[in-house]
Amino acid sequence: GENVEQHPSTLSVQEGDSAVIKCTYSDSASNYFPWYKQELGKRPQLIIDIRSNVGEKKDQRIAVTLNKTAKHFSLHITETQPEDSAVYFCAANLGGTSYGKLTFGQGTILTVHP
Amino acid sequence: DGGITQSPKYLFRKEGQNVTLSCEQNLNHDAMYWYRQDPGQGLRLIYYSQIVNDFQKGDIAEGYSVSREKKESFPLTVTSAQKNPTAFYLCASSIHIAGLTYEQYFGPGTRLTVT
Repeated sequence: GENVEQHPSTLSVQEGDSAVIKCTYSDSASNYFPWYKQELGKRPQLIIDIRSNVGEKKDQRIAVTLNKTAKHFSLHITETQPEDSAVYFCAANLGGTSYGKLTFGQGTILTVHP
Repeated sequence: DGGITQSPKYLFRKEGQNVTLSCEQNLNHDAMYWYRQDPGQGLRLIYYSQIVNDFQKGDIAEGYSVSREKKESFPLTVTSAQKNPTAFYLCASSIHIAGLTYEQYFGPGTRLTVT
């Protein structure tokens, strides 16, 4: 079936290192790819998103890259800090529908050690 | 945090009872969504609504029901037919314009425990 696969499920880095989380999606019609951060006990919040008409987008220490041909997209966090520790979810609007539906990956638990 | 609210934060029910979770938004968003979050499984879509008086089933709608009588409100009922109702439930809302998908804003969630 249509899905979004996210890897790795857990990621542990030292403060200052970079972190990369990858997602693949099944439907080539998908055209919107957001990333959400969820801190413990809190609601998910959008940190960055990308549409299929661009290949890369940056916002300070965070960047997202999209490879439409290979149907995968990645989140890059540079100069990680302890406050980056959280669960990160990727998502895609499988089918590129106008309904606004998102299908989420399984999540990556990122731990940044001081 | 304003915008989208859910109540209560924690809810306890006995098996066999129906329970209704509240979701209200003042963002003037047309679209609203209900997700279920279980450890290691991400967010799974239960129901969504693009407009008042209309809603569609998501990926795991069995055992759940919704209504959308007002733009601001999208309550979710967990019925006794839901086999494993204990979970964290998240409500979200977004702009809806045909042809484009937009950021979803999430509520703080309701943790439901059924014993």
